[in-house]
Amino acid sequence: AQSVTQPDIHITVSEGASLELRCNYSYGATPYLFWYVQSPGQGLQLLLKYFSGDTLVQGIKGFEAEFKRSQSSFNLRKPSVHWSDAAEYFCAVVNWMDSSYKLIFGSGTRLLVRP
Amino acid sequence: DGGITQSPKYLFRKEGQNVTLSCEQNLNHDAMYWYRQDPGQGLRLIYYSQIVNDFQKGDIAEGYSVSREKKESFPLTVTSAQKNPTAFYLCASSPHDSHHNPSGYEQYFGPGTRLTVT
Repeated sequence: AQSVTQPDIHITVSEGASLELRCNYSYGATPYLFWYVQSPGQGLQLLLKYFSGDTLVQGIKGFEAEFKRSQSSFNLRKPSVHWSDAAEYFCAVVNWMDSSYKLIFGSGTRLLVRP
Repeated sequence: DGGITQSPKYLFRKEGQNVTLSCEQNLNHDAMYWYRQDPGQGLRLIYYSQIVNDFQKGDIAEGYSVSREKKESFPLTVTSAQKNPTAFYLCASSPHDSHHNPSGYEQYFGPGTRLTVT
C-alpha cells in the first residue's frame, strides 16, 4: 500500500528566507501527489498537485514542488516566506483500492515563521 | 458561491450521547469523505462515499456511522461506542471523474467541526 512520510514535525524559518518541506512517498508506479495547507482551526486548502508531465509544478501563494522519482520525493518549496505562511502542511498520495481510491496523508509539518 | 459547509463549528456533548455532524456541498461532486484529525496524527479516514446510497468504511470506522441519501449531504454520527470522540472532524468532497481526468482525485475540504465530549 502507498504511504507518505513527512520527516519534519516542525520547521521554523525567518520571514523572507527560503523554505523546503520534505515529503517522501512509497509507490511503485507514478503517483498522484498533493500538497495541502491548513491554518489553525480551519479546513485544508489545496496548494498544488502532480499527476504527470513536468516534474516541477507551480501552485498557489508562490509555492512550487518538484517530483523526483529517483528519490521518491515531492518536496514543497517557496523562495521567500511570508508571516502568513505559518500553518500546517500536508503531503498526500492517491491510494487505489479495488474499484475505489482514497488519499493517504502524511502526518504534517508545522511551519513557524520568525519575524 | 460553491463550497462545502460543516455545522456547527464547535460542538459539545456529554459522554454516552450520540451526536451528528453535518456536511453539505454544492459542488455537484460525486464523492464525499469524513476525516478525523488529532494533534500530531494528520488525517485519518473514517468513512467515504463515492455515490448516493453507497458508502465504505475507512481506516477508523468503529464507533461512527454515516448515510448518503442525497448527493449534497453526508452526515456523520459519532456514537457512544466511539471511545475517544473528542477531535476535529473534517468533511471533504471530490469530483471522482478520475477515469477521464486525474483532477477527479482532488479533495476539497470544509472548515471542520471541533467536537468535545466530556
